[in-house]
Parts: sequence; C-alpha cells; structure tokens
Amino acid sequence: DAGVIQSPRHEVTEMGQEVTLRCKPISGHNSLFWYRQTMMRGLELLIYFNNNVPIDDSGMPEDRFSAKMPNASFSTLKIQPSEPRDSAVYFCASSLIRGTYTDEQYFGPGTRLTVT
Amino acid sequence: ILNVEQSPQSLHVQEGDSTNFTCSFPSSNFYALHWYRWETAKSPEALFVMTLNGDEKKKGRISATLNTKEGYSYLYIKGSQPEDSATYLCAFLRTGGFKTIFGAGTRLFVKA
Repeated sequence: DAGVIQSPRHEVTEMGQEVTLRCKPISGHNSLFWYRQTMMRGLELLIYFNNNVPIDDSGMPEDRFSAKMPNASFSTLKIQPSEPRDSAVYFCASSLIRGTYTDEQYFGPGTRLTVT
Repeated sequence: ILNVEQSPQSLHVQEGDSTNFTCSFPSSNFYALHWYRWETAKSPEALFVMTLNGDEKKKGRISATLNTKEGYSYLYIKGSQPEDSATYLCAFLRTGGFKTIFGAGTRLFVKA
C-alpha cells in the first residue's frame, strides 16, 4: 500500500481564494482524521470521520472550513475564503477502529499551505 | 477541556545517555494512548498503541509504560543515539467517539 496520500504537497494562494486539500486514506481503514500543525498550537484535530460519517468537527476553527468524505477512499478539506492565519501544515491520517480494537494512525506527508 | 501534557518540553542529552519523558492525560473516559515519533520535515510515525492499565511495550531501545488510573505514561529511551533526535508525541483517545488529543511533544536532541 502507498500509505496515506495527500495533495497538493504545497499550496500558495492569495487571501480570499478557495483552497481544497485532498486525502486518500489507506485501503481498509475506516477512520480518517484531519489535523492542522502550527508553531503556536502544535498538532490540532480539526475533524474526524468514521465509516465516511463526520463524528466530531468541534476542532474546525470556523465556518470557512468544511470537510467531506464522499466515499471510503477520498476526503477533502476546503477553506473558503482563505486568510493568512490559515497558513499551516495540514495532515490527514487514517486508522482502523473497530470495537475494542484500535490501530495507530498513519499520517500522510502533509500539505503546506501559505496564504499571502 | 481535555488536557494532554508532556514534559519536559525539550531535552538535550549526550549519545549513550538514557532518558525518559512523561505524558499526562485525563484518567476518565480512557480508550487508548498512542506514542508517535516525529522527525523534522516528516510525518508522525507510531511507536506504541497502549490500551490496558499496566501495559508495557518495547521496541528496540524504546519502551513505554501506562497507568490509566492516575493518567500518565512514560516513554524510555535506553542508550540514546543521534538518530533518536526527534519530537515524541503522545496522543490520548477517549471513549465515546475516539477523539484524539495530542500533547505538545517532547523535543529530544541527542549529541554525538
């Protein structure tokens, strides 16, 4: 398996533009997590899905952020409109959680977003 | 508010030293505790998944213990090597949804 795939790896955009980050989880995993990494706040959980259903989006900073998981092999994180303070590295991770069994989370390479 | 605290924030050791870090987490609604190793410019990689009170896990020179009743976990590195230099993160997963909360990490520097 290729692991968790994220695209793009780098994104530079102007304030006000829409940004879409993409993630393909590891095949067979049923949970997907979106994280944001900043110097100030470290690694923050934004939202996670279980069996394609959003379970907890309390970490999403504001309405400008939205995430979808239309099927088990694809998820998007969208920021519209983007602002300079959204500049960060965004990680996607996937895992297998089933009853009392929990696997570790496998992280993608991250997308470095710069909003000017 | 769920707090996951890691200490120390950073640590500088000499090659060959043994070291340990602490992760403190809520003692209620515990589901699992994960340890990750995060090298600069890479993604976090899992070291251990711990679920039972009293768990002890080992991988080479690295080991970890878990105390869910008092809410802490220790990570030990025996005979540190320069390649052990990285940030070590712990992550607390709670029941009822598996929300994952990461600590801020311990940054380890091992000097040759």
